[in-house]
Amino acid sequence: DAMVIQNPRYQVTQFGKPVTLSCSQTLNHNVMYWYQQKSSQAPKLLFHYYDKDFNNEADTPDNFQSRRPNTSFCFLDIRSPGLGDAAMYLCATSREPGNSYEQYFGPGTRLTVT
Amino acid sequence: AQSVTQLGSHVSVSEGALVLLRCNYSSSVPPYLFWYVQYPNQGLQLLLKYTTGATLVKGINGFEAEFKKSETSFHLTKPSAHMSDAAEYFCAVTTIQGAQKLVFGQGTRLTINP
Repeated sequence: DAMVIQNPRYQVTQFGKPVTLSCSQTLNHNVMYWYQQKSSQAPKLLFHYYDKDFNNEADTPDNFQSRRPNTSFCFLDIRSPGLGDAAMYLCATSREPGNSYEQYFGPGTRLTVT
Repeated sequence: AQSVTQLGSHVSVSEGALVLLRCNYSSSVPPYLFWYVQYPNQGLQLLLKYTTGATLVKGINGFEAEFKKSETSFHLTKPSAHMSDAAEYFCAVTTIQGAQKLVFGQGTRLTINP
């Protein structure tokens, strides 16, 4: 089945130690999104890629970076995680805008910062 | 800009009872509306969506929602609750204009009482 895959599902990192979260998709979608979701809150969009074009949200901290080496993969890099970065990180994909407006979500990676 | 308000952060119903989760939106252009469900430690799964056409939309797991432009509402209903419906539900809006971004409501946690 076509799907969005996130690895790992659970990640523990130390305060200030860089961490990378991975997302891959078999849907061949043009757009990939990264969301941060804290406990009992709605997902918050960090950034998205439309093909290779990177679109950062205005309030996304510089500590968060992303890479998309090809259509299938997208990475979220947190350069110096703080305790406040502990959250669920969700990856999502969609077809190019104007074609379908539905976003398909992966299962998420729960990040713990110690 | 679009916004979504979900009335009631927690809703509790008995098994077999009607489920009604309320969602009101604000949009200056015709909206596209979605309901997503999130089970603990999982990603978001699309329940149903309204883009154009019939205003009563049927989704998975027996859920449906009706787009009422005059009331700017998109309430989610299910005639008979099942224990497996216990989850977090998010209403979201996007539009055809600009970037294809979802704006989420704050979520409603649905509890089913036996």
